[in-house]
Amino acid sequence: DIQMTQSPSSVSASVGDRVTITCRASQGISNWLAWYQQKPGKAPKLLIYAASSLQSGVPSRFSGSGSGTDFTLIISSLQPEDFATYYCQQSNSFPLTFGGGTKVEIK
Amino acid sequence: EVQLLESGGGLVQPGGSLRLSCAASGFTFSSFAMNWVRQAPGKGLEWVSGIVGSGGSINYADSVKGRFTISRDNSKNTLYVQMNSLRDEDTAVYFCAKARSGSWQFDYWGQGTLVTVSS
Repeated sequence: DIQMTQSPSSVSASVGDRVTITCRASQGISNWLAWYQQKPGKAPKLLIYAASSLQSGVPSRFSGSGSGTDFTLIISSLQPEDFATYYCQQSNSFPLTFGGGTKVEIK
Repeated sequence: EVQLLESGGGLVQPGGSLRLSCAASGFTFSSFAMNWVRQAPGKGLEWVSGIVGSGGSINYADSVKGRFTISRDNSKNTLYVQMNSLRDEDTAVYFCAKARSGSWQFDYWGQGTLVTVSS
């Protein structure tokens, strides 16, 4: 199985800050990576697919990059509505696997 | 507008069974793979199972293989999962999720249904 390791597990940041979240796959997954945002009590929301493609309707302050084993999600200027937990997910092979999550908290 | 509405959750004893349903609308259901993803209380996301649009290819997480059965009825635009031999560790919110065309990345999710396995 492909293990997905996210770091950090949590980050405290202020509105306007640039936030970087990383995700590492235990083996190469090309660009078969997605990023999701989840708020408490809600379903996850797709932000980025194919490692770097912005899902329709998602603000452009979110961006993704990477290929192979190392990936990054960047929030360029954190907004109040961005405080949430973020997950990466590989879809290169079954079983599909998620990272452990990164909680973005208010500083 | 894509909508996914799960139902069937509840309290069940260990060793018991439950069937979850996910009613889909707003897209051509038979053209897209569908999935179940779960989240234990206070924990992260775990993919459970996926099925292609025709129903002809199915995959499971090792944690549920042999106990859970995913299926779909394209005439009813509905996804199912039959869960047997339930364990305490199956307690979670279960989400159905639609896959993007040509990938196993999830562009739409239901609101989830809670399954509690407890005596």
